[in-house]
Amino acid sequence: DAGITQSPRHKVTETGTPVTLRCHQTENHRYMYWYRQDPGHGLRLIHYSYGVKDTDKGEVSDGYSVSRSKTEDFLLTLESATSSQTSVYFCAIRTSGIYTDTQYFGPGTRLTVL
Amino acid sequence: AQKVTQAQTEISVVEKEDVTLDCVYETRDTTYYLFWYKQPPSGELVFLIRRNSFDEQNEISGRYSWNFQKSTSSFNFTITASQVVDSAVYFCALSESSGANSKLTFGKGITLSVRP
Repeated sequence: DAGITQSPRHKVTETGTPVTLRCHQTENHRYMYWYRQDPGHGLRLIHYSYGVKDTDKGEVSDGYSVSRSKTEDFLLTLESATSSQTSVYFCAIRTSGIYTDTQYFGPGTRLTVL
Repeated sequence: AQKVTQAQTEISVVEKEDVTLDCVYETRDTTYYLFWYKQPPSGELVFLIRRNSFDEQNEISGRYSWNFQKSTSSFNFTITASQVVDSAVYFCALSESSGANSKLTFGKGITLSVRP
């Protein structure tokens, strides 16, 4: 257990509404990630953070923004949700260590956009 | 660009059979890291193993074993004497660095069903 929680765990929303997903960690890890999981695609990286206020885009960042104002929280925002953003969203932290760093995942948030 | 291919999409075996899950990767880096994750029906992603490219020693952990072969760019995972609890989706993943820009690229996953 890497001390990662995600909220909400389930959400149903309507097209065009803003949505914010929260990832919270308790172990002070520097690196945090947001992925989405879709059938036939595996997990794809949306955005990641390498420190407070330091973020960068992943391979599927269009339509998403992130913020990290505190080490423990990494927020993913869908400014105007679309049906194509219906997915399961996973947050991850990366432990430190030159040859041992590993990503551990939160429990996931299932988002449905109607 | 890095790429992970899990050519098998679904595998079904009967309990106690051995099963091997294949993973082939592509990378231009000489130093890289390979991972296997398990996603049971409950949905969480569970880390199983990490292997560094400069360490080709294969590993056995209980009923699980991993075969890393640089020559064929493969990192296969074998479950011996499978059990119903092994039913899950298994993901292979690759990372090309351990620095700030370290990112995981996942394969599409293999759904393993173990029947009693």
